[in-house]
Amino acid sequence: NAGVTQTPKFRILKIGQSMTLQCAQDMNHNYMYWYRQDPGMGLKLIYYSVGAGITDKGEVPNGYNVSRSTTEDFPLRLELAAPSQTSVYFCASRTTSGTYEQYFGPGTRLTVT
Amino acid sequence: GENVEQHPSTLSVQEGDSAVIKCTYSDSASNYFPWYKQELGKRPQLIIDIRSNVGEKKDQRIAVTLNKTAKHFSLHITETQPEDSAVYFCAASGPWPSNTGKLIFGQGTTLQVKP
Repeated sequence: NAGVTQTPKFRILKIGQSMTLQCAQDMNHNYMYWYRQDPGMGLKLIYYSVGAGITDKGEVPNGYNVSRSTTEDFPLRLELAAPSQTSVYFCASRTTSGTYEQYFGPGTRLTVT
Repeated sequence: GENVEQHPSTLSVQEGDSAVIKCTYSDSASNYFPWYKQELGKRPQLIIDIRSNVGEKKDQRIAVTLNKTAKHFSLHITETQPEDSAVYFCAASGPWPSNTGKLIFGQGTTLQVKP
């Protein structure tokens, strides 16, 4: 099992550009999440999904969009990038039964200049 | 919505001493409380968690206690070692609609263990 994978690892964007952060998991988890972590801070939930075709907003959704067409993939779209979106982005997934543990991907470090 | 406060923001201890990190939460319906350890440049890793039907849980040198009445929970690390140095995050998750498992994180505690 690869677990939760994220691409790219690093990216520099110019203000106003757009990009998609990729996240995939091979554990057949229904629940998936996107968090952002600003320097020296905790993680803030951006969007989450409880299954294919179902997504909902978290604490800080503005400036982002998501889609969930398959159980495995949960991409995060940034439209019109702003410096305030400079952060490390973590994707996580969780099973719907048994353990409540969320498994995190390695993160994407994004800089908007 | 749920709010999680974590203290202290930094903690420095001598190797072999104990370390305690405390968190309070606002939503009495929250029922799951994990603790994550994050090393520099790495992803958060779950080290211990507790559900609201249990008051204490222990795993070797790490323990978590939960006081539902006071709405606070604590991480206890005994016999600290230099490799325990990291940032520790608490989180809370409640029975929101459909039990979505959303986590609300505290601000983090930087633990430094001095040899």
